[in-house]
Amino acid sequence: AQTVTQSQPEMSVQEAETVTLSCTYDTSESNYYLFWYKQPPSRQMILVIRQEAYKQQNATENRFSVNFQKAAKSFSLKISDSQLGDTAMYFCAFIAGGTSYGKLTFGQGTILTVHP
Amino acid sequence: EPEVTQTPSHQVTQMGQEVILRCVPISNHLYFYWYRQILGQKVEFLVSFYNNEISEKSEIFDDQFSVERPDGSNFTLKIRSTKLEDSAMYFCASSRGEMNTEAFFGQGTRLTVV
Repeated sequence: AQTVTQSQPEMSVQEAETVTLSCTYDTSESNYYLFWYKQPPSRQMILVIRQEAYKQQNATENRFSVNFQKAAKSFSLKISDSQLGDTAMYFCAFIAGGTSYGKLTFGQGTILTVHP
Repeated sequence: EPEVTQTPSHQVTQMGQEVILRCVPISNHLYFYWYRQILGQKVEFLVSFYNNEISEKSEIFDDQFSVERPDGSNFTLKIRSTKLEDSAMYFCASSRGEMNTEAFFGQGTRLTVV
């Protein structure tokens, strides 16, 4: 069974600054995918970024990037130039390769507040 | 852009009553899912559905729960006899099912059991 752990229940950052959200996971799978989802107050789950475990290069999507450390089973999210609209709950999620993308295992979430 | 839609956005029901949550997945998607998020807790997988049958379900998905795709477009979650602890946000999701596709989530239905 897979587990995903987010050790930071809450984080805050000033607008335009950089913040890093932590995530660790545990699995015996060799092929898997990792995700960060954003859940704003509207409650909808929005995919922020995706990382394939077989890729050594860290994924980036505009202001969002990850630091994927496979040996350490760590998958942190860096948000650069934080904006007020980044305020949300952020979930780290895992899925084993060879299965459909939908069966995700989520972490507990980190509430991020961006202050003006 | 295509999206997953869920109705209603909020449902209040009395304990012991049956409730049906509805979802319209993205039209060319083949895999469908329900997730649950109890307030303040993590999102939990309930069930996946493919080719008109359940492909996987979690321990949470007991005999009180059922899913079906009655008409080829809607995907429903039925809770037969609701309990107070069923109060949660329920998310529907769908994916194309190929290895490089993501799951798209609906906006959720908040279920309140009183």
